[in-house]
Amino acid sequence: QSALTQPASVSGSPGQSITISCTGTSSDVGSYNLVSWYQQHPGKAPKLMIYEGSKRPSGVSNRFSGSKSGNTASLTISGLQAEDEADYYCCSYAGSAYVFGTGTKVTVL
Amino acid sequence: QVTLRESGPALVKPTQTLTLTCTFSGFSLSTSGMCVSWIRQPPGKALEWLALIDWDDDKYYSTSLKTRLTISKDTSKNQVVLTMTNMDPVDTATYYCARTTDYSENFDYWGQGTLVTVSS
Repeated sequence: QSALTQPASVSGSPGQSITISCTGTSSDVGSYNLVSWYQQHPGKAPKLMIYEGSKRPSGVSNRFSGSKSGNTASLTISGLQAEDEADYYCCSYAGSAYVFGTGTKVTVL
Repeated sequence: QVTLRESGPALVKPTQTLTLTCTFSGFSLSTSGMCVSWIRQPPGKALEWLALIDWDDDKYYSTSLKTRLTISKDTSKNQVVLTMTNMDPVDTATYYCARTTDYSENFDYWGQGTLVTVSS
C-alpha cells in the first residue's frame, strides 16, 4: 500500500481555522469510513484525535473535526491555539491492513 | 487504565534479528475484538504500520515487510512480541505498539515507543 498524501505543512494564526487534506485511493480512504487522525508533538507518541472519519474520542476538543469526500479525508482545526502546533497524521483501514499519511506539520504563527 | 510499554534492544547490527516486546495492561487480548499493532517511525519521517494480532490469534502484516515480520502473543503475560529479521540501517526507527479494536479500526492507546538503531 502507498502512503496517503498530505500537505507537508499548513500554518495559521491563533484563532483561525485550518484544514489538512489526506488523499488516498478507492482501496483505502474511498472504500471505508475508517479514517483516523493523530496528533504528535516532538518526542511524544501519537495521540488519537478523530476516528471513523468524524468521531472525537472523549477528552479531545470539539475544535477538531473530520470529514470525507470520495478518496479524500480532511481534518479541520478551528480556533487555532499555540498548543495545536504539532505533526498530524491520517490513517486509513485498507482491508486487513492500515496505511498512514505522509504527515503534516502545523505551525501556529 | 490502558497502558502499553515497548521493550527491546536499543542497538542491533545489520543482518541480525530484532525482537521487541509490548507489555500491556488495562485490557485483555483474549477479549473479543481486541487487537495490538506495531507501528514504526524513522527519525524525522512518517508513521508506518507493520503488523497486527487479534484476540483470535489472526495475524496481519504490511505487504512490503511481511517476509521479515512475525507477530505473536502471550495472553497470560499480556504481551505481544514482534520479530523482524535481516535488519538494515534503514530500519532505524522508533517502534510503537498500540491497541486497536476490530470494530473501530483505529489506534486508541499507544506505548511511548522504543528507538532501535541499526548499525555495525
